[in-house]
Amino acid sequence: AQSVSQHNHHVILSEAASLELGCNYSYGGTVNLFWYVQYPGQHLQLLLKYFSGDPLVKGIKGFEAEFIKSKFSFNLRKPSVQWSDTAEYFCAVNGNTGGFKTIFGAGTRLFVKA
Amino acid sequence: GAVVSQHPSWVICKSGTSVKIECRSLDFQATTMFWYRQFPKQSLMLMATSNEGSKATYEQGVEKDKFLINHASLTLSTLTVTSAHPEDSSFYICSADTGTGVGYGYTFGSGTRLTVV
Repeated sequence: AQSVSQHNHHVILSEAASLELGCNYSYGGTVNLFWYVQYPGQHLQLLLKYFSGDPLVKGIKGFEAEFIKSKFSFNLRKPSVQWSDTAEYFCAVNGNTGGFKTIFGAGTRLFVKA
Repeated sequence: GAVVSQHPSWVICKSGTSVKIECRSLDFQATTMFWYRQFPKQSLMLMATSNEGSKATYEQGVEKDKFLINHASLTLSTLTVTSAHPEDSSFYICSADTGTGVGYGYTFGSGTRLTVV
């Protein structure tokens, strides 16, 4: 079955700490991978996406993610978080075998202490 | 950039009544829109795929007679929760394919929080 697993439901960090949010997926065929962010009181926004090519993808606000095909993973990273990064982060996947229906992970709530 | 407007942002209704939620693509045409439901502390669950000019495709377990979807134009899809009950209380979110390529990421509306009392 197609699924997306995010390892951490809640993460608390201090400002300037490094961030890595895990994401593993189960999906047959060619995949597109996404990270979305939802700031408090706001709607979902696309952080970055991977379709093909360089497995290290750079997104907005200093975020990046690395697609490791052998591990079925697409972890999100940021070297130094800020208080304004406090939000909920969702990993998502779609692909041609699923008719491009996007499947979301459960989300990770990040709280950055000032 | 592509913007999806969802209205209302929140609604409270009495049990047994119906509620309509609108999803509009403001600066692009969306032949395909998606409706999701998000329960507290859970992820988004796809309810249905809304196709302009044709019937919506519902995911397994979603009652099509309860969640009526209409996509009558290229910029508007509506979700009507009929005979709402407290268990229908949830956060409903729509998204639209921006047309940059199927599956290439979507633009989301701001969501509608439905509370049925």
